[in-house]
Amino acid sequence: AQRVTQPEKLLSVFKGAPVELKCNYSYSGSPELFWYVQYSRQRLQLLLRHISRESIKGFTADLNKGETSFHLKKPFAQEEDSAMYYCALSGQNTDKLIFGTGTRLQVFP
Amino acid sequence: EAGVAQSPRYKIIEKRQSVAFWCNPISGHATLYWYQQILGQGPKLLIQFQNNGVVDDSQLPKDRFSAERLKGVDSTLKIQPAKLEDSAVYLCASSFTAGNTGELFFGEGSRLTVL
Repeated sequence: AQRVTQPEKLLSVFKGAPVELKCNYSYSGSPELFWYVQYSRQRLQLLLRHISRESIKGFTADLNKGETSFHLKKPFAQEEDSAMYYCALSGQNTDKLIFGTGTRLQVFP
Repeated sequence: EAGVAQSPRYKIIEKRQSVAFWCNPISGHATLYWYQQILGQGPKLLIQFQNNGVVDDSQLPKDRFSAERLKGVDSTLKIQPAKLEDSAVYLCASSFTAGNTGELFFGEGSRLTVL
């Protein structure tokens, strides 16, 4: 079965602390993995995708096929990172996204 | 560039009533999606259109939900009759192609409350 699991509903840290939002997936084949973010009163939007191997707003995510994980990391959290983060996957040759349940990140000053 | 437009933003109805949501995707985007997001859950795909054809509607409850995308641009999602468990945010999204770039552009959503 295709599934995305985000075990933490809420993650609270202080400004400047490292952040890791966990994501595990189940998929038969080679999925594409993504992180989407929803800031307060804004639309859901793409943060980063694993195929780009990019760092966006200081966030990175490495696809670990052995552990079927795609954790999102940032070494020093900022207050403006407070948002809802969703991990998502799609299969090859399709844009259909399967989302996890999301993790709310709260960064305190 | 204008984003994905959805209306209405909020709707409150009683169970067994009907409701319709409208979506206008980004100009030039061939693929359109309707997602259902129940409180505390991630978005779940209901239906995917490529131009005016249905690509995937495997998770659409067809006994009560229907969607169309006439002329391959705007889309309407209808629920008739509504049930309490249909209370959710209905998100419309569009993408330029049907490849796996993964970048979907979402609307602000239509929040439905069924009493």
